[in-house]
Amino acid sequence: DAGITQSPRHKVTETGTPVTLRCHQTENHRYMYWYRQDPGHGLRLIHYSYGVKDTDKGEVSDGYSVSRSKTEDFLLTLESATSSQTSVYFCAISVTGADTEAFFGQGTRLTVV
Amino acid sequence: GDSVTQMEGPVTLSEEAFLTINCTYTATGYPSLFWYVQYPGEGLQLLLKATKADDKGSNKGFEATYRKETTSFHLEKGSVQVSDSAVYFCALVLSATNKLIFGTGTLLAVQP
Repeated sequence: DAGITQSPRHKVTETGTPVTLRCHQTENHRYMYWYRQDPGHGLRLIHYSYGVKDTDKGEVSDGYSVSRSKTEDFLLTLESATSSQTSVYFCAISVTGADTEAFFGQGTRLTVV
Repeated sequence: GDSVTQMEGPVTLSEEAFLTINCTYTATGYPSLFWYVQYPGEGLQLLLKATKADDKGSNKGFEATYRKETTSFHLEKGSVQVSDSAVYFCALVLSATNKLIFGTGTLLAVQP
């Protein structure tokens, strides 16, 4: 199994509070991705990174920011959580992105109350 | 914009039935195409892939052919098993950006 760990695995937070999710890899893969999974919407890309300090937006980036200061860590921050951000969040890693397999973490279930 | 469209589920089949899950895409350039599978409570894992037109990806009895003329990558299996019950995602990667984009997923339920 690819070495990819998401933390926390479960979190309940209040509306308006900041939340940071962490994705940690031990594979030294260049590409890292954050998705959210919601019923009827599948996986939607939030942000992705193609190297240290190199990130770009996905299709649902509003309300989210990311940082990658080290190859192994990709952080997703909800600056001020809203109920619409209740979801399951998945991190993925990939060697080159283009034609190689992406490996997924186990997911983080976030509930905003 | 670039996107993946999958047939809606759930798809309910009896064991040993033939499976087809349709997938079409819209993309600039020539993407690589993938099928991922998600078992209950787990993350996604790669099922098969194809990186250029007319390539056929195959794994565990599943197959899909990259059809550039119809921008499609339909998943097929000749005889499904109960253990194939899962959510199946079609995906593409754009070579220019390495952005990995997924469809909405199709739930497959196989009954004994």
